[in-house]
Amino acid sequence: AQSVTQPDIHITVSEGASLELRCNYSYGATPYLFWYVQSPGQGLQLLLKYFSGDTLVQGIKGFEAEFKRSQSSFNLRKPSVHWSDAAEYFCAVGAASGNQFYFGTGTSLTVIP
Amino acid sequence: GAVVSQHPSRVICKSGTSVKIECRSLDFQATTMFWYRQFPKQSLMLMATSNEGSKATYEQGVEKDKFLINHASLTLSTLTVTSAHPEDSSFYICSARPGLPLAYEQYFGPGTRLTVT
Repeated sequence: AQSVTQPDIHITVSEGASLELRCNYSYGATPYLFWYVQSPGQGLQLLLKYFSGDTLVQGIKGFEAEFKRSQSSFNLRKPSVHWSDAAEYFCAVGAASGNQFYFGTGTSLTVIP
Repeated sequence: GAVVSQHPSRVICKSGTSVKIECRSLDFQATTMFWYRQFPKQSLMLMATSNEGSKATYEQGVEKDKFLINHASLTLSTLTVTSAHPEDSSFYICSARPGLPLAYEQYFGPGTRLTVT
């Protein structure tokens, strides 16, 4: 069955520190992987996506993610977190052949000064 | 490009009334649109998938008579919550999927906050 797991419900980091948000997926076909960010009361903004090719993908706002097929992971990273990065982050997996996106349960990021 | 709008952004209605939420793809044609529901501090739950000109496909447990979805054109889908009750209060988000070659992407609207009093 298809699923996305974000093991960390909540993460707190200091401003300027590095960040890694974990995402593991279970998917029967070739996955298309996405990271979205959601600020309170807002919709989802796409940070980055992976379809094929280079397994390290760059996104907006200084984020990057690495696809590791052997580990079924697509972890999101940022070398230096800014206070404005505090938000909810969702990992999602989909496929060209199907309609549905499968979302993880989200990781809430708090940034402390 | 690839902008999806929702209207209204917030709506308050009384119990028993109906409310309609619009989802529009502004700069592309959406062969498929999706409606999600999000409870506080939770992930998105897919409610239904709609293809232009055909009936929506509802996920298990979603009442199709309560959540009416119409996808009348390639740029507009509507969700009508009929006979709303307080438990229908939630954040509703739509997304739109273009046709090929970007058929694997979904673009999300900003969401609609529904409060039923």
